[in-house]
Amino acid sequence: TQLLEQSPQFLSIQEGENLTVYCNSSSVFSSLQWYRQEPGEGPVLLVTVVTGGEVKKLKRLTFQFGDARKDSSLHITAAQTGDTGLYLCAGALPNDYKLSFGAGTTVTVRA
Amino acid sequence: DSGVTQTPKHLITATGQRVTLRCSPRSGDLSVYWYQQSLDQGLQFLIQYYNGEERAKGNILERFSAQQFPDLHSELNLSSLELGDSALYFCASSLTGAEGTQYFGPGTRLLVL
Repeated sequence: TQLLEQSPQFLSIQEGENLTVYCNSSSVFSSLQWYRQEPGEGPVLLVTVVTGGEVKKLKRLTFQFGDARKDSSLHITAAQTGDTGLYLCAGALPNDYKLSFGAGTTVTVRA
Repeated sequence: DSGVTQTPKHLITATGQRVTLRCSPRSGDLSVYWYQQSLDQGLQFLIQYYNGEERAKGNILERFSAQQFPDLHSELNLSSLELGDSALYFCASSLTGAEGTQYFGPGTRLLVL
């Protein structure tokens, strides 16, 4: 079983629509990251959140870390075709050096 | 460009063979991580090195080994290769390894025939 559960697994929307991807766990994380990955390429870091309740914005992307530091969400406003990709959340447990990754959400934005 | 480099980009080999994947971390980063990504398993942590020493181990097979050299580059050695070892192998680096943020390289695609 995955430490981090991402939902939905797949998401297909029209350009201009909004979308939200969720990352949930029963464990508390010291930090959580969101990455975007294109086919055949390495994950690209989008954001790191470390404080419970923290909200970070990156242009049309809004990231939120849950108050209890067990979950996170990624919201994209007015999606563009360039937002298409695999979105991965990853968390670092306290006193643990490795990252645990969710299975990912494949987002397709149609023109 | 994350600043992490990996070579080779593609590798095709036969079962039973041995290969070496190479990674150079971002300038200034002391910690290197190796991951395996396959279609059915997602991104799986293999092993971490910090300043030349092994720091954490994940789901790394005994046929696989890694090391980090004094110049901080790292190599992942895969031996007695099996068909199931075909996957994307990623290297990531971070400043100390204590923070969560990691920067990934472009990966090496390994195909075992």
